Amino acid sequence: AQSVAQPEDQVNVAEGNPLTVKCTYSVSGNPYLFWYVQYPNRGLQFLLKYITGDNLVKGSYGFEAEFNKSQTSFHLKKPSALVSDSALYFCAVRDRNAGNMLTFGGGTRLMVKP
Amino acid sequence: DVKVTQSSRYLVKRTGEKVFLECVQDMDHENMFWYRQDPGLGLRLIYFSYDVKMKEKGDIPEGYSVSREKKERFSLILESASTNQTSMYLCASSLLGQGGRRNYGYTFGSGTRLTVV
Repeated sequence: AQSVAQPEDQVNVAEGNPLTVKCTYSVSGNPYLFWYVQYPNRGLQFLLKYITGDNLVKGSYGFEAEFNKSQTSFHLKKPSALVSDSALYFCAVRDRNAGNMLTFGGGTRLMVKP
Repeated sequence: DVKVTQSSRYLVKRTGEKVFLECVQDMDHENMFWYRQDPGLGLRLIYFSYDVKMKEKGDIPEGYSVSREKKERFSLILESASTNQTSMYLCASSLLGQGGRRNYGYTFGSGTRLTVV
């Protein structure tokens, strides 16, 4: 079985400060990992993915995430937050050897204040 | 640009009505999914489909059915709408057997916010 945990329901950060949204996962094999963002009353948009290779993955809108196999984590980061980054963020995992289903975390609301 | 299109952004229906939520994708994806999203509950999978005329129950199929007569279209049906089905409904699609760097996970539609009164 595969699972994802996003331990924080909400993260608050001031504009211009660095942000981190946490994600830990559990799979029996090697993971594919994803981050999605959802703006109000919209669907989820793809931000970035880890498939293989470099542990630091860069994605859209200046976001990046670091794959840490020993800690089974895939935290989302941005060096300098913008008010427009305020949204709901979902981490997702798929076991490479276990079919096509993504398992999503419960989501973390990011609030960036001016 | 590839797209998943959900026919309605907002929908208001009466209790007991039969409701159809339509989803169309233009990416020739084999997999299609229906989720509902509620505050504090995250995304919950209702049904999914790996091929035409094929369907599998997700985590919360009760009160719903689906239809996939063509590869590009996956319909969610509320046989008799109830107020507890008021929610945001999200459709998604993906390639079968995604491997390597082509793997973009799921592509989502914009969602349908359904209110049952």
